[in-house]
Amino acid sequence: EAGVAQSPRYKIIEKRQSVAFWCNPISGHATLYWYQQILGQGPKLLIQFQNNGVVDDSQLPKDRFSAERLKGVDSTLKIQPAKLEDSAVYLCASSLNSGTSALEGYFGPGTRLTVL
Amino acid sequence: LAKTTQPISMDSYEGQEVNITCSHNNIATNDYITWYQQFPSQGPRFIIQGYKTKVTNEVASLFIPADRKSSTLSLPRVSLSDTAVYYCLVVPITGGAAGNKLTFGGGTRVLVKP
Repeated sequence: EAGVAQSPRYKIIEKRQSVAFWCNPISGHATLYWYQQILGQGPKLLIQFQNNGVVDDSQLPKDRFSAERLKGVDSTLKIQPAKLEDSAVYLCASSLNSGTSALEGYFGPGTRLTVL
Repeated sequence: LAKTTQPISMDSYEGQEVNITCSHNNIATNDYITWYQQFPSQGPRFIIQGYKTKVTNEVASLFIPADRKSSTLSLPRVSLSDTAVYYCLVVPITGGAAGNKLTFGGGTRVLVKP
């Protein structure tokens, strides 16, 4: 079974530039999560999708971050414009949404973003 | 969402059993307890989940007392490769998508020494 795919793996940009990350979840997983993980901290949930609808985006800085999952499969997360404090690893995860299967999130390898 | 508290770090030696306790005093009836493991430069990986009593799989055991206000992840006979951050999550299962939120805290950094 293919895992969660993310690209790019690494990205270096200057502040005020834009960047986009892509995630392809495990086939059949209705729930998709984007997390931001700053070095030394636990992953922080940015946004959660159920199919192509947003379930929770309460911690997404909406003035600069946006995310979409138009067809309910793959997803993109965009930052525009980037700030120095956005330097982090961006993790995508997916899960089934039925019963305790929803407890098992499958994470991708992440995209390490460095903002200079 | 129930708040979780776990130690920031723990040291152990190869071959020992490691027990990490997580407190979740305000756990709700429909909350499940789940643990994840994260190695450096990788995403978290699901280890185990439970509701009450004891659950065991090929990786770990999870002990949950009757009041469910805490849980203990037990890693038997650890090796150097078990050095990682371990996260305790309390996740409400409500049958709807809105409840299935995987919220991570700071985790416990476990260092296994030779």
